[in-house]
Amino acid sequence: QQQVKQSPQSLIVQKGGISIINCAYENTAFDYFPWYQQFPGKGPALLIAIRPDVSEKKEGRFTISFNKSAKQFSLHIMDSQPGDSATYFCAATNPNLFFGTGTRLTVIP
Amino acid sequence: DSGVTQTPKHLITATGQRVTLRCSPRSGDLSVYWYQQSLDQGLQFLIQYYNGEERAKGNILERFSAQQFPDLHSELNLSSLELGDSALYFCASSVASQGKGYTFGSGTRLTVV
Repeated sequence: QQQVKQSPQSLIVQKGGISIINCAYENTAFDYFPWYQQFPGKGPALLIAIRPDVSEKKEGRFTISFNKSAKQFSLHIMDSQPGDSATYFCAATNPNLFFGTGTRLTVIP
Repeated sequence: DSGVTQTPKHLITATGQRVTLRCSPRSGDLSVYWYQQSLDQGLQFLIQYYNGEERAKGNILERFSAQQFPDLHSELNLSSLELGDSALYFCASSVASQGKGYTFGSGTRLTVV
């Protein structure tokens, strides 16, 4: 059973556009929601994370929006760049880390 | 370099064989986690060790086992290998037993032929 559901599976965005990846969860005991970025041949790397008592967190071009009542959270990448092309995973901890299925983002010039 | 070292990077072996994957955690990290990444299953949590003791188990098959040694490095043993075991195996580490900041290694790509 997938603890964290992620969509879309793949995403193609024009350079300068906004990339949006969505995740949903059921387990209300999750207490930390990180996003990981993975480039081919590399392990996932922590990108940005949020706790459920906060509705939004922004770091540079990356923003997490969190809706506790809907049990949903999303990653927004503003001004998307070709270098952002990677696979993005949402995750949730309780206390171990459960990953979504990943979104392959391609930013075209 | 994330500080988490995994060896070997690539491994090709035949069905029915046994292999050992090795992970050295980041300096100061006591927890080691093993994940399997396959195309259709995403990242699946296998097992966690904290300071030498098994702390949590995920979707780990009975054919698989792991241990963490006194120097904190960990080994994942995969036996009676099947074609479906072909995947990327990642190790991650964190300071505490309930890690919020996981640091991943670059993985071992296992191909079973």
